[in-house]
Amino acid sequence: EDQVTQSPEALRLQEGESSSLNCSYTVSGLRGLFWYRQDPGKGPEFLFTLYSAGEEKEKERLKATLTKKESFLHITAPKPEDSATYLCALRGSNYKLTFGKGTLLTVNP
Amino acid sequence: GAVVSQHPSWVICKSGTSVKIECRSLDFQATTMFWYRQFPKQSLMLMATSNEGSKATYEQGVEKDKFLINHASLTLSTLTVTSAHPEDSSFYICSASPGLAQGETQYFGPGTRLLVL
Repeated sequence: EDQVTQSPEALRLQEGESSSLNCSYTVSGLRGLFWYRQDPGKGPEFLFTLYSAGEEKEKERLKATLTKKESFLHITAPKPEDSATYLCALRGSNYKLTFGKGTLLTVNP
Repeated sequence: GAVVSQHPSWVICKSGTSVKIECRSLDFQATTMFWYRQFPKQSLMLMATSNEGSKATYEQGVEKDKFLINHASLTLSTLTVTSAHPEDSSFYICSASPGLAQGETQYFGPGTRLLVL
């Protein structure tokens, strides 16, 4: 069974304080690991897709990396507007997305 | 980027009535659409997967007669909650994908908040 575990559950940062969110996973036949951002009361917003170990993608202050067992979402010099819940999801051999429970990120000014 | 819309964004209804939620892919054709349910402070739970022109596949524990899904075209899927009860109150989110091959991202709609009184 595909499994996704995200840590920490919640993270508070000061503006400008860089950190990383972790997503560890087990899957049979990885067909993509996805990162989404979800604001309260809204649907998830797509950030990145990663497919193979060693792959990295960047967008503004965010950088996602992938190994065979985990993915990291690095946030460099975060701003208050980066506050949201970050969801990790993987697509396995059954083509369905399995979501982690998310990391609630709060960035204080 | 790819846009998925949902309508309505929120709905309040009386117990026993039926509610229809629409999901549209605005700038791409979606061969596959998904319906999720999300409870407060929890992650997304897949309810069903639908492919255009065929019957939806429901996840274990989801009542197909209660949650009717129709994927009539490559840009539209509907979820009808029949004879809604207060326990059906939740945040329903649809998702659409051009396909399921590697490289195909799943895009999400903004969600529909349902409150059954």
